[in-house]
Amino acid sequence: DAGVIQSPRHEVTEMGQEVTLRCKPISGHDYLFWYRQTMMRGLELLIYFNNNVPIDDSGMPEDRFSAKMPNASFSTLKIQPSEPRDSAVYFCASSFGAGWEEFQETQYFGPGTRLLVL
Amino acid sequence: SQQGEEDPQALSIQEGENATMNCSYKTSINNLQWYRQNSGRGLVHLILIRSNEREKHSGRLRVTLDTSKKSSSLLITASRAADTASYFCAVGISSGSARQLTFGSGTQLTVLP
Repeated sequence: DAGVIQSPRHEVTEMGQEVTLRCKPISGHDYLFWYRQTMMRGLELLIYFNNNVPIDDSGMPEDRFSAKMPNASFSTLKIQPSEPRDSAVYFCASSFGAGWEEFQETQYFGPGTRLLVL
Repeated sequence: SQQGEEDPQALSIQEGENATMNCSYKTSINNLQWYRQNSGRGLVHLILIRSNEREKHSGRLRVTLDTSKKSSSLLITASRAADTASYFCAVGISSGSARQLTFGSGTQLTVLP
């Protein structure tokens, strides 16, 4: 298995532009998580899905952020319009979730998208 | 907040020595997990300990959990230069369809050759 795939790996954009980050979870995983990592705030959970349905989006910072999961193999995180304070590394992670074995509760992270908003 | 807090924030040791990192949290949990992050990479799961367990081993890793003190420790024995990374604890809450991990701020471990 190729693991969690994220694209692009790096994104540089100007303030006000729309940014779309993409994630392909591991096949068969029921849960998909979006995180943001910065030096100041650490690793923050933004939103997560179970069977393509958003379960908790309380971590989404504001209305400029939106996430979708149209099917079990694809999710997007969109920022519109982007601002310099959105600069961070955005991680997608997935897990089985449907059970209580360790491997089912483990989250598998993608390599991240490093976003810089100028 | 259920966020785990690691201590120390940074740790530098010589190869072959043991490294101990601590994590404290605030509320009841289902499990506590430790993850590792190499520079510029995603996080990798190391080990999970459940709330009804007190100690768990995996290779050179030893994790303890004290639910009365709401704390956990990660011990890496016989450290290697390749163990240099950031280590995060994550408190897990699972209930129904809810599956959430809240990560601490991490310990940066440097193992000097």
